[in-house]
Amino acid sequence: DAKTTQPPSMDCAEGRAANLPCNHSTISGNEYVYWYRQIHSQGPQYIIHGLKNNETNEMASLIITEDRKSSTLILPHATLRDTAVYYCIVRVVASGTYKYIFGTGTRLKVLA
Amino acid sequence: EAGVAQSPRYKIIEKRQSVAFWCNPISGHATLYWYQQILGQGPKLLIQFQNNGVVDDSQLPKDRFSAERLKGVDSTLKIQPAKLEDSAVYLCASSAYWGARGEKLFFGSGTQLSVL
Repeated sequence: DAKTTQPPSMDCAEGRAANLPCNHSTISGNEYVYWYRQIHSQGPQYIIHGLKNNETNEMASLIITEDRKSSTLILPHATLRDTAVYYCIVRVVASGTYKYIFGTGTRLKVLA
Repeated sequence: EAGVAQSPRYKIIEKRQSVAFWCNPISGHATLYWYQQILGQGPKLLIQFQNNGVVDDSQLPKDRFSAERLKGVDSTLKIQPAKLEDSAVYLCASSAYWGARGEKLFFGSGTQLSVL
């Protein structure tokens, strides 16, 4: 069962910041939050991940609340090519390895 | 570095026929995953291998689906016989352990299966 909840869709104006929320209220202390995105007809692509500190890379920023029950993915200057489905995932430890459980994702549409 | 390779890219079959998908993970990646993605849904994990052993196949419909990973490298997923509800994209992913912080999944482009 998915451990994350996301809004089904969002719109964002081109050039503006896109803020995608995710709820993971049942997350455990050693479980990481990952974000992937999927552009039509392609496999999911890694964006960013974190445990409890905020993270930033060349693609995005990840803000995790202090209680770790929710997070926000920020695309600082959205472009039309950022139109995709964005998945927030909790990585769980199972049978000595990691399991990545996807939810239903947020369909982001960037508008010109 | 080369990514995760999958073939075929598309497959159309009639119900009750059999089909097989192939995956070649990134070199050196010990863990391999097969996901099923039905249109409009997120990927669902079917089976997970660690080297050539099965770690988790709890979501695999074992009466019709089978998977193997010979020599801990390539993997094949088979459906026999196929049903209409098996129409989906089948995604293969792999990962290497770089410590709790470093690991992440790399996906192939998937095989789109249509069962008529």
